[in-house]
Amino acid sequence: QKEVEQDPGPLSVPEGAIVSLNCTYSNSAFQYFMWYRQYSRKGPELLMYTYSSGNKEDGRFTAQVDKSSKYISLFIRDSQPSDSATYLCAMSAYNAGNNRKLIWGLGTSLAVNP
Amino acid sequence: EPEVTQTPSHQVTQMGQEVILRCVPISNHLYFYWYRQILGQKVEFLVSFYNNEISEKSEIFDDQFSVERPDGSNFTLKIRSTKLEDSAMYFCASSDRQNGYTFGSGTRLTVV
Repeated sequence: QKEVEQDPGPLSVPEGAIVSLNCTYSNSAFQYFMWYRQYSRKGPELLMYTYSSGNKEDGRFTAQVDKSSKYISLFIRDSQPSDSATYLCAMSAYNAGNNRKLIWGLGTSLAVNP
Repeated sequence: EPEVTQTPSHQVTQMGQEVILRCVPISNHLYFYWYRQILGQKVEFLVSFYNNEISEKSEIFDDQFSVERPDGSNFTLKIRSTKLEDSAMYFCASSDRQNGYTFGSGTRLTVV
């Protein structure tokens, strides 16, 4: 079983839709969970950084972590064409101050159509 | 907003040549990383660096690779003898304890 699995899509939605993006993982030691957005030929841009289980909200973005199911989600409300990008999940057993590697999903390609 | 800066944005090199990829991390960050992304594949960890030494490295990071922080601002990745399979986007990142990891825009390395 792969450590982190993420459906690559592509996912196509109309403008204004609620988007749900998901990753599953197998390593129960993971405690720090991140969502990154990546535009074509650019570096990953951090959207959300969460610790352990629960929800975190930032504007139109909500991150959810369910450690019991080893499942994380990113919800985008009122999606805009500018949200069209690849969304990558990443996770670690350690916080950023421990200087350890992130394990990544493959990324989900999202297109928001005007 | 502070950012991680990488140069060059694109590097074309012949197989067997040495390349140096350069990064300027965020100034108050203490932890530095190199990742790479081969087209269509996952982002892969190469190496992490703290306090002037390597903290962790992957099996990809063999003897052909080295990292250096030659002064207070730059962080470099050297590939001694490039192979075709080294062609990828190389991302530098830096972090502090609280706010996660910030990535640069990457260097696209093409080995011909």
